[in-house]
Amino acid sequence: EPEVTQTPSHQVTQMGQEVILRCVPISNHLYFYWYRQILGQKVEFLVSFYNNEISEKSEIFDDQFSVERPDGSNFTLKIRSTKLEDSAMYFCASRRLMATNEKLFFGSGTQLSVL
Amino acid sequence: AQTVTQSQPEMSVQEAETVTLSCTYDTSENNYYLFWYKQPPSRQMILVIRQEAYKQQNATENRFSVNFQKAAKSFSLKISDSQLGDTAMYFCAFSHAGNNRKLIWGLGTSLAVNP
Repeated sequence: EPEVTQTPSHQVTQMGQEVILRCVPISNHLYFYWYRQILGQKVEFLVSFYNNEISEKSEIFDDQFSVERPDGSNFTLKIRSTKLEDSAMYFCASRRLMATNEKLFFGSGTQLSVL
Repeated sequence: AQTVTQSQPEMSVQEAETVTLSCTYDTSENNYYLFWYKQPPSRQMILVIRQEAYKQQNATENRFSVNFQKAAKSFSLKISDSQLGDTAMYFCAFSHAGNNRKLIWGLGTSLAVNP
């Protein structure tokens, strides 16, 4: 089965530093998402991306966050100035189409620790 | 706004027995999708089963089946013949039928299958 690849699997950073989380969606997929999971809390939607632009973002996705699809294969999430509360598992997901039976594929996640 | 509630933080079951995980949701929409995802210790998100709200027939995937009660807004997961590999967090999730299809998640139920 095709896979969504996320790198790195773990990232440790100092508060105030910028981090870039990388995702390689499945090659023929058109819809991309970032979710995060703070330990012990609900998985939360951050942002969706289609046709090279954000299609929806949550309240969490403030000016400190940005997404990019720089080269047609990678899909990145940047946090400009990390805060302690950004510590979470970040999941990338992709989907080929919006048809009813289209499956959403998740990556293995990047565990971000902000110290 | 849509919400998803899982009222059982932890459950356990003996190997080969049957267990049911509960999920309720709230929405004013008539057309939507419901999902159960499994998250093993590796933290990969794995789709277990999916239900379209317009289908009256309950979805089934091998040992996994759902009891979808649309009027009651209930979506429980039944795992038959439980196996040790079923030990994981189980998340119930909702998405509307619009273009974005972002997922709204419950808090999860930690299931332990005991030998």
